[in-house]
Amino acid sequence: SYELTQPPSVSVSPGQTASITCSADKLGDKYACWYQQKPGQSPVLVIYDDTKRPSGIPERFSGSNSGNTATLTISGTQAMDEADYYCQAWDSSTLYVFGTGTKVTVL
Amino acid sequence: EVQLVQSGAEVKKPGESLKISCKGSGYSFTSYWIGWVRQMPGKGLEWMGIIYPDDSDTRYSPSFQGHVTISADKSITTAYLQWSSLKASDTAMYYCARHGSCSGGSCHNWFDPWGQGTLVTVSS
Repeated sequence: SYELTQPPSVSVSPGQTASITCSADKLGDKYACWYQQKPGQSPVLVIYDDTKRPSGIPERFSGSNSGNTATLTISGTQAMDEADYYCQAWDSSTLYVFGTGTKVTVL
Repeated sequence: EVQLVQSGAEVKKPGESLKISCKGSGYSFTSYWIGWVRQMPGKGLEWMGIIYPDDSDTRYSPSFQGHVTISADKSITTAYLQWSSLKASDTAMYYCARHGSCSGGSCHNWFDPWGQGTLVTVSS
């Protein structure tokens, strides 16, 4: 089965850049998307089709996907960005796969 | 506004049956797949299955095939997730979510928006 691997945690200082990786075999050949989940809330789509931001998502959120790794970048990280982040992709055999999740802490 | 509103929290005993719901509004309910996702306490997101409400075409994750049933009633724009015999390990938050659009055999394979979640607790 297809699996997406993320680091369990990422720490970042306010105003700095946070990068969250999502790794899998030939992930760059697929589209990746990212969800933000704050405590006690439902997931929210923040990046889709590798690089696109849904309406209402701040410009500080950006994405890329190449080779075996997709990356979510949060530029000028704010305290409100503290949350769990999940990548997700579609694979023809496994269908929908979520990453293992990354907890972003803004110190 | 596109919205998915889920039914309320449930407390059940092992062996009992359960059906939870997800009502869509603000869009053409029959034109988008609806997915179900499990989140066990303190854990990550797991895709369970997906249904196309127009014809009830359904796909399941191998991890959940045979353990749950996904259905939909397009006349009342509602999708369902049901269990015939709950186990303590089914204790989790369950989310429904609208799939991205599909056309010409190609789909946007992401989920947005999500319902507010239904907490299912199974305990004797």
